[in-house]
Amino acid sequence: DAKTTQPTSMDCAEGRAANLPCNHSTISGNEYVYWYRQIHSQGPQYIIHGLKNNETNEMASLIITEDRKSSTLILPHATLRDTAVYYCIVRLISGYSTLTFGKGTMLLVSP
Amino acid sequence: GAVVSQHPSRVICKSGTSVKIECRSLDFQATTMFWYRQFPKQSLMLMATSNEGSKATYEQGVEKDKFLINHASLTLSTLTVTSAHPEDSSFYICSARKMGARENTEAFFGQGTRLTVV
Repeated sequence: DAKTTQPTSMDCAEGRAANLPCNHSTISGNEYVYWYRQIHSQGPQYIIHGLKNNETNEMASLIITEDRKSSTLILPHATLRDTAVYYCIVRLISGYSTLTFGKGTMLLVSP
Repeated sequence: GAVVSQHPSRVICKSGTSVKIECRSLDFQATTMFWYRQFPKQSLMLMATSNEGSKATYEQGVEKDKFLINHASLTLSTLTVTSAHPEDSSFYICSARKMGARENTEAFFGQGTRLTVV
């Protein structure tokens, strides 16, 4: 699976949009981009995934650049409960490949 | 949504004893379950993959005789840490894949088990 690079930490004010970047310059055509998050002392939680089109669900939006070498996860109105480590993971399309977690981005949402 | 439950959520045991952690898929059948370990301030590391009715596949560096995995049914996988030592203290997390799921479905994670060996 391709490697991802994320900032170690980010801060965001409550109520503002949180934009979390991820670089995956070596992504191949048969790999999706997945985002998970892990709140302290809990298991990871699925957020969203995409291949090349932008995606939106009730939790977040995923913007993937046209060359697919980077993406941004957007939490439109961050709350204190969104404080967590956010993991960007690339994963093969075919079959079921395991998830390889990197260090992720620690997002701190402050009042 | 799909719910994966782990039990216990926390356990403290004495050095040299064995501890069993259960991972259950509550509202779906799971052909494959995954076990991860997470040390403080580190990311999740995959330990092993277990398929119902067959032997688990362990990642390099994980001792299969120390971390016994049983996946006897489509809704239950267990991880037994045998002869636990303080260095085994960690956060253990399981995840499950739905039977019959289309490829690339998201993985469903349990809430984790905090093991402390004293």
